[in-house]
Amino acid sequence: QSVLTQPPSVSAAPGQKVTISCSGSSSNIEKNYVSWYQQLPGTAPKVLIYENTERPSGIPDRFSGSKSGTSATLGITGLQTGDEATYYCGTWDNTLRAGVFGGGTTLTVL
Amino acid sequence: QEQLVESGGGVVQPGRSLRLSCAASGFPFSSYVMHWVRQAPGKGLEWVASILYDGENKWYAESVKGRLTISRDNAKNTLYLEVNSLRSEDTAVYYCAKEAIRGGLYMDVWGRGTTVIVSS
Repeated sequence: QSVLTQPPSVSAAPGQKVTISCSGSSSNIEKNYVSWYQQLPGTAPKVLIYENTERPSGIPDRFSGSKSGTSATLGITGLQTGDEATYYCGTWDNTLRAGVFGGGTTLTVL
Repeated sequence: QEQLVESGGGVVQPGRSLRLSCAASGFPFSSYVMHWVRQAPGKGLEWVASILYDGENKWYAESVKGRLTISRDNAKNTLYLEVNSLRSEDTAVYYCAKEAIRGGLYMDVWGRGTTVIVSS
């Protein structure tokens, strides 16, 4: 059972938009920045979003992040088949004094 | 080019110990917080431990406290993870990662991982 809750899967057609939610609590998301990671099969995770909304250089603006209260959201527009991957949210938990990840959301581009 | 390379994984019997290493290059290793993250087969990411720049402050996931020890040698640009009393649930790919900016678990550089299989 993950501290952060994500939907197990989402799907959408190529070119469409999808959002992935990440629900936490006052001890983690509400008080700390959230990062989002993309993991393609058999590879290490890659950061897409940091500090809730910021994109590292090289990450296309099709990827966006937002945060409100105890929840965060990853948005992906203009879906491509290459976006098929598992996406994770992550942050620090002040009560646990530990890093925490969501359980991961598998994106299928139909 | 910033790079992390893990090593030390393998097949280990239950109850034994293992030390994983992570060699860093291309950035000032001693200036960054470092993490270990693991992923069991077919499962999600699990944050395991992190260590502050000077190695004095460390944090662990509750699930591994007392059995895992994170450490670093800044002179050798190397991060370590000692895993004791190995259990089947420790079977996973272990990644080391560099925290780019303090806070929010923003890890911008990851290694390819080293695989630990606990089996008799």
